[in-house]
Amino acid sequence: EIVLTQSPDFQSVTPKEKVTITCRASQSIGSSLHWYQQKPDQSPKLLIKFASQSFSGVPSRFSGSGSGTDFTLTINSLEAEDAATYYCHQSRSLPWTFGQGTKVEIK
Amino acid sequence: EVQLVESGGGLVQPGGSLRLSCAASGFTFSNYWMHWVRQAPGKGLVWASRINPDGSDTSHADSVKGRFTISRDNAKNTFYLQMNSLRVEDTAVYYCTRCSDFVCYDYWGQGTLVTVSS
Repeated sequence: EIVLTQSPDFQSVTPKEKVTITCRASQSIGSSLHWYQQKPDQSPKLLIKFASQSFSGVPSRFSGSGSGTDFTLTINSLEAEDAATYYCHQSRSLPWTFGQGTKVEIK
Repeated sequence: EVQLVESGGGLVQPGGSLRLSCAASGFTFSNYWMHWVRQAPGKGLVWASRINPDGSDTSHADSVKGRFTISRDNAKNTFYLQMNSLRVEDTAVYYCTRCSDFVCYDYWGQGTLVTVSS
């Protein structure tokens, strides 16, 4: 099973600040890495697919990068509505797995 | 508009059974792999099961293998998760979602809560 480890687990950030979340895979997964945003009591929402491709309708302040084992989600100029938990997810091999989540709080 | 609507959740005793349904609309259901992802209260997302477009290929996480069965009815645009021998640790919100060759998990249902408790 491929283990995804996100860091940090929690981040408290001021609006307009830049946020960087990393996701490390226990083995190479190429670009089969996706990012989701989940707000309390809501379903997850796809932000980034295949490491760096923005999903339709996602604000341009969200971007992704990386390949192999190391990946990054960047939120440029954080807005209050971005308070949420963010998950990475690999679709390279079964069982598909998720990172443990990174909770982003607005100061 | 793409919609996925889960139903069938509820309270069940350990050892009991439930069948979840996910009704799809707004897209060509028979072209998509369909998945169940679950989330225990206050915890992260965990992949549970998937089924291919014609229903001939299924996979399950080890934690549910032998107890859960995924199936689909393309004529009804619906797929299912039959959950038997339920355990307290199966308590979670169960989400249905879809996957194609180009993008996975772009749409999710609202989730249905399964509570296993005596």
